[in-house]
Amino acid sequence: QVQLVQSGAEVKKPGASVKISCKTSGFTFTAYALLWVRQAPGQRLEWVGWIKAGDGNPKYSEKAQGRVTITMDTAANTVYMELNSLTYADTAVYYCARVGRGWYEVAFWGQGTLVTVS
Amino acid sequence: SYVLSQPPSVSVDPGKTARITCGGHNIGSKGVHWYQQKPGQAPVMVIYYDRDRPSGIPERFSGSKSGNTATLTISRVEAGDEADYHCQVWDSSSDWVFGGGTKLTVL
Repeated sequence: QVQLVQSGAEVKKPGASVKISCKTSGFTFTAYALLWVRQAPGQRLEWVGWIKAGDGNPKYSEKAQGRVTITMDTAANTVYMELNSLTYADTAVYYCARVGRGWYEVAFWGQGTLVTVS
Repeated sequence: SYVLSQPPSVSVDPGKTARITCGGHNIGSKGVHWYQQKPGQAPVMVIYYDRDRPSGIPERFSGSKSGNTATLTISRVEAGDEADYHCQVWDSSSDWVFGGGTKLTVL
């Protein structure tokens, strides 16, 4: 079965960086795209960026552009998200997710990683 | 940027029908997807491309679209359906767009 397992919770100081991992299994990694979605307390789900695992080409939201980097390790079926210059507004649960066969629906989600900037 | 609007909350009695709306400009031309999120858990897709149901999702969950509004309908509501529900579309200029979420309360 499809699984996305994320790394554990992080606590960071303002100005620091955080890197979260998402190890996938149960599907052909390079056949899909993986995205990162975050949810700040009481806020709506917000797309951060995505990467097409077939070609490793990432794309970032306008809001995150310049501070976020999404990378992947095809041999390990793992995707990573690094966010720099953290501010209190970056405190959120970050989800790794996989698109469905239609490409534009989010068919599977990781368990979430809480990043606290304090 | 593209915006999706949902009512903050909907309340329904057990056994009745709940309808949660999602509005957006020209939403009729976009595929609408719905997610259920229970407290402390990751979202789960319950409807994709307007009206398709993933395997394992009860037939009580259905989706429809009319004009500039998409609707998630939950029939014969159960206590276990209490959750936040989010709509989502993909837009060529904004990429992945989510609604603000609707909290479904089962009375």
